[in-house]
Amino acid sequence: AQKVTQAQTEISVVEKEDVTLDCVYETRDTTYYLFWYKQPPSGELVFLIRRNSFDEQNEISGRYSWNFQKSTSSFNFTITASQVVDSAVYFCALSAGSNDYKLSFGAGTTVTVRA
Amino acid sequence: EAQVTQNPRYLITVTGKKLTVTCSQNMNHEYMSWYRQDPGLGLRQIYYSMNVEVTDKGDVPEGYKVSRKEKRNFPLILESPSPNQTSLYFCASSFGGSGTSPLHFGNGTRLTVT
Repeated sequence: AQKVTQAQTEISVVEKEDVTLDCVYETRDTTYYLFWYKQPPSGELVFLIRRNSFDEQNEISGRYSWNFQKSTSSFNFTITASQVVDSAVYFCALSAGSNDYKLSFGAGTTVTVRA
Repeated sequence: EAQVTQNPRYLITVTGKKLTVTCSQNMNHEYMSWYRQDPGLGLRQIYYSMNVEVTDKGDVPEGYKVSRKEKRNFPLILESPSPNQTSLYFCASSFGGSGTSPLHFGNGTRLTVT
């Protein structure tokens, strides 16, 4: 069984504040993939990052960064110096095994950035 | 342009009236799947297909059917819709399994069953 938990339902920040989204996952597989997707108010789902279980390096892409820690089964996402355009629902997702055909999503965290 | 196209974007129907939501991708992807999104529950997989004529149930398949007669198309069929199927539906595709490459999502179909 695989499961993703995003404990934060909603986060509200003022522009330029940093915001960290938590993601905790459960799987018995040693090979798995973790993802983050963004869903802006327009509704489409936008892929942000994919990380495999053998690569624990943190990653930075512009104002976005991801902290993967196998020891705590967490894959947290930080937006630095948030902007109004970052307002969206963010989903963490897990796919276990290279031939697995199921992507399990967390419930999502709604981020609201106020000007 | 590489894309996953769902139709219709919005659909209002009545209980029991059969409907089909179409999904088509132009990327020659082998893997396709359907998800429904509900508040507080995230996205849950309904059905997926690994290739033509190969489909399998996801987490919430009850009340839905799918078919994969061609590689590019993966329609979602509700034979007798009920109000609890009111939801936002997404079709997605990728080259391999859902882990080996990111999913490309359609723009969603918002279904209301009264």
